[in-house]
Amino acid sequence: QSVLTQPPSVSGAPGQRVTISCTGSSSNIGAGYNVHWYQQLPGTAPKLLIYANSNRPSGVPDRFSGSKSGTSASLAITGLQAEDEADYYCQSYDSSLSGLEIFGGGTKLTVL
Amino acid sequence: EVQLVQSGAEVKKSGESLKISCKGSGYIFTSNWIGWVRQMPGKGLEWMGIIFPADSDTIYSPSFQGQVTISADKSLSTAYLQWTRLRASDTAIYYCARRAATGLDSWGQGTLVTVSS
Repeated sequence: QSVLTQPPSVSGAPGQRVTISCTGSSSNIGAGYNVHWYQQLPGTAPKLLIYANSNRPSGVPDRFSGSKSGTSASLAITGLQAEDEADYYCQSYDSSLSGLEIFGGGTKLTVL
Repeated sequence: EVQLVQSGAEVKKSGESLKISCKGSGYIFTSNWIGWVRQMPGKGLEWMGIIFPADSDTIYSPSFQGQVTISADKSLSTAYLQWTRLRASDTAIYYCARRAATGLDSWGQGTLVTVSS
């Protein structure tokens, strides 16, 4: 059971918009800690997709966006493409764990 | 370019010891924490612990405290993850990652550890 809760799966057709939620608590996201998002394509290492809630590293398309409110965060993907099919993980920190990193359980995105 | 290069896949038997490595390049290795992440077959990412190579300050996730040892040799720009007695349940891919203010911004390619009983 992950400290951060994500839906196990989401799906969408090419061109559509999908969102992935990440729900935490007052000791992590709600405490003001940043949320980061990672994309893991099949058979590869995770890659930083969104950092500090809503910022994109260089090279990440602007189809990907992040937001945070209260004890939750969201990743939105617009103009869905087949190459977006991957696992997505949110990550934050938890004050009850000495500020250790924590991950969400991951969400499998299927492009129909 | 920042790179983390991990050691190759390992096949071990239960009860054996193992040490895998993660070598950093393209940046000042002692400037950033290095974390280790486990991914069991078909499962999600689990945070194991983190080390600051400059002084080897280490923080373990409660789930992994006492089960593994994280270390670093700053002269070699290398971090390590070590087991004294492997179990079949340690079968997984292990990733190292550089922690920056912007999250885990660089990842190793992963090391597959297979433990047979």
